[in-house]
Amino acid sequence: GAVVSQHPSRVICKSGTSVKIECRSLDFQATTMFWYRQFPKQSLMLMATSNEGSKATYEQGVEKDKFLINHASLTLSTLTVTSAHPEDSSFYICSAKVGGSSYNEQFFGPGTRLTVL
Amino acid sequence: GDSVTQMEGPVTLSEEAFLTINCTYTATGYPSLFWYVQYPGEGLQLLLKATKADDKGSNKGFEATYRKETTSFHLEKGSVQVSDSAVYFCALTHTGNQFYFGTGTSLTVIP
Repeated sequence: GAVVSQHPSRVICKSGTSVKIECRSLDFQATTMFWYRQFPKQSLMLMATSNEGSKATYEQGVEKDKFLINHASLTLSTLTVTSAHPEDSSFYICSAKVGGSSYNEQFFGPGTRLTVL
Repeated sequence: GDSVTQMEGPVTLSEEAFLTINCTYTATGYPSLFWYVQYPGEGLQLLLKATKADDKGSNKGFEATYRKETTSFHLEKGSVQVSDSAVYFCALTHTGNQFYFGTGTSLTVIP
């Protein structure tokens, strides 16, 4: 149980275009989902926390208008990279927390590799 | 604030060698501690966890014991395999919302 999927797993786009990444909890309801960014050979950097039905909370230094997060249902959160540029190329990982419990584990998706040309 | 310090890599071992990856933490109270593994091109997979002092997490031959007195959660495996080659992350959380990750330790096991 507790499987999180991401789609797409890999995307290549041209500079200036927008890219949407989906994160789904497949077998549980996730009231809270998280988006991380990982640079090569580095650790995960938390970008934002999204709660179902409310606005995402962004970490300091993360541009809200660049990285749009929507958490419209208990099983789906989306990250849209708007007007992407080469410096946005990275590995994006989402995670989800089981809702309605004190269980404090996050379940991670497989990641999305974004390459902006 | 809370933080995790992890042994610098990369680590290269021969198959069947003993593995230790050191992890120490700074935190108030009693956080939960985790080890995650990341295979090339993939996301993080939970390897093991411990939620209170003296707990031992174990999975797939890996073990780590929550040591409050030394604020450590070192990862060990008695005999590594080539398939264990990956990046290992130590992490802590209090509530499951804010996770603090170490910088990761790359392990390569050679036949």
